Amino acid sequence: NAGVMQNPRHLVRRRGQEARLRCSPMKGHSHVYWYRQLPEEGLKFMVYLQKENIIDESGMPKERFSAEFPKEGPSILRIQQVVRGDSAAYFCASSPRPSQTYNEQFFGPGTRLTVL
Amino acid sequence: AQSVTQLDSQVPVFEEAPVELRCNYSSSVSVYLFWYVQYPNQGLQLLLKYLSGSTLVKGINGFEAEFNKSQTSFHLRKPSVHISDTAEYFCAGQGGSEKLVFGKGTKLTVNP
Repeated sequence: NAGVMQNPRHLVRRRGQEARLRCSPMKGHSHVYWYRQLPEEGLKFMVYLQKENIIDESGMPKERFSAEFPKEGPSILRIQQVVRGDSAAYFCASSPRPSQTYNEQFFGPGTRLTVL
Repeated sequence: AQSVTQLDSQVPVFEEAPVELRCNYSSSVSVYLFWYVQYPNQGLQLLLKYLSGSTLVKGINGFEAEFNKSQTSFHLRKPSVHISDTAEYFCAGQGGSEKLVFGKGTKLTVNP
């Protein structure tokens, strides 16, 4: 059973370009979370999605950032017109359908974005 | 606001010595508590979790943590560390929503 997959693992962009980060959840998981890890910082929640639905985007910057999780295919985190401050590691996690109790999140290896 | 505080950014220890990594949480994230480990250039791996019940939680690789409600702490311990335990450790909490709230991390360096 493959774990959470993210690609690319490393991404280099110049200022003003677009970055697209992909996340394929574990088999059977229908919920995806994106977190950002800035240098020397812990992970910060960005967005929580179900298939075709954004559940909680309280951690997303108001501009340039968007996320989707279509019915078919991976979840995409899109950053338009990247700036140097977007350089970070972006982690995706997935979980199965929520139940009444705790729902473990399984993390992918991350995409390390470098903006030149 | 929900918060998780890791008091030490770096902890150097010698091999086979005991170690404690400290974590305090705000009451708003106290529903569930976790410790994750991150090896260089890798994702996060769950070490252990506290959901309810016994306050002493045992995890993988010989780690354990104790939930202390009166001190709002969830410190991670290992009685004897190995070189391979060198990594960054993150404490996290989850309360009232699906999102995890992480501390800033503690870099554990085990020296021979």
